[in-house]
Amino acid sequence: QEQLQEWGPGLVKPSQTLSLTCTVSDGSITTNKYYWTWIRQPAGKGLEWIGRIHISGSTNYNPSLKSRITMSVDSSKNQFSLKLNSVTAADTAIYYCARNGHATGVWLDPWGQGILVTVSS
Amino acid sequence: QSALTQPASVSGSPGQSITISCTGTSSDIGAYNYVSWYQQHPGKVPKLLIYNVNNRPSGVSNRFSGSKSGNTASLIISGLQTEDEADYYCNSYTSSSTLVFGGGTKLTVL
Repeated sequence: QEQLQEWGPGLVKPSQTLSLTCTVSDGSITTNKYYWTWIRQPAGKGLEWIGRIHISGSTNYNPSLKSRITMSVDSSKNQFSLKLNSVTAADTAIYYCARNGHATGVWLDPWGQGILVTVSS
Repeated sequence: QSALTQPASVSGSPGQSITISCTGTSSDIGAYNYVSWYQQHPGKVPKLLIYNVNNRPSGVSNRFSGSKSGNTASLIISGLQTEDEADYYCNSYTSSSTLVFGGGTKLTVL
């Protein structure tokens, strides 16, 4: 079973860009069977789907965040990344990466452990 | 896209069965059999319970089951146990090729 691990700065200043990377272990990010997804969860609140990327470069983003998001994939490092620009305090959350099955259905599994990102000056 | 609608909370006693509903639209739940459910204990990572409406991943108890009718999906938990107390989230694929979560339901086992 693949394992995913998020990493990046835990503190970002308002108006700057949040940058996170997810490393995939014990599996290949280059398979056509999956998308690679980002989800976030503000403290005490529900899950919000941010977006996903396929090894082909195809992306789908949450319409409410689309103007601020860029996702990319680096097959040589078995990693995929999220950039969210012009952040505010409302972007403070635990950010998860997850594998998104899509060939035989749609599901999110496994998930990374999550990384808390705080937006504050 | 609007979040799917779930009840904020449900409760039940050990041994009982409960149902958590998840209502969407004809552009998400009603359009595809791509509803999944996730269980999240406090401070923990969400865990996949059900996918494609009514399929259980290996290792998930058969006390958990799913169904769908029209624009509403349901998670049924039978034989409630104290360890089932957690937050539950539904998720659906949409006609815009995006995914959308429900707001989450807190299950209390009395």
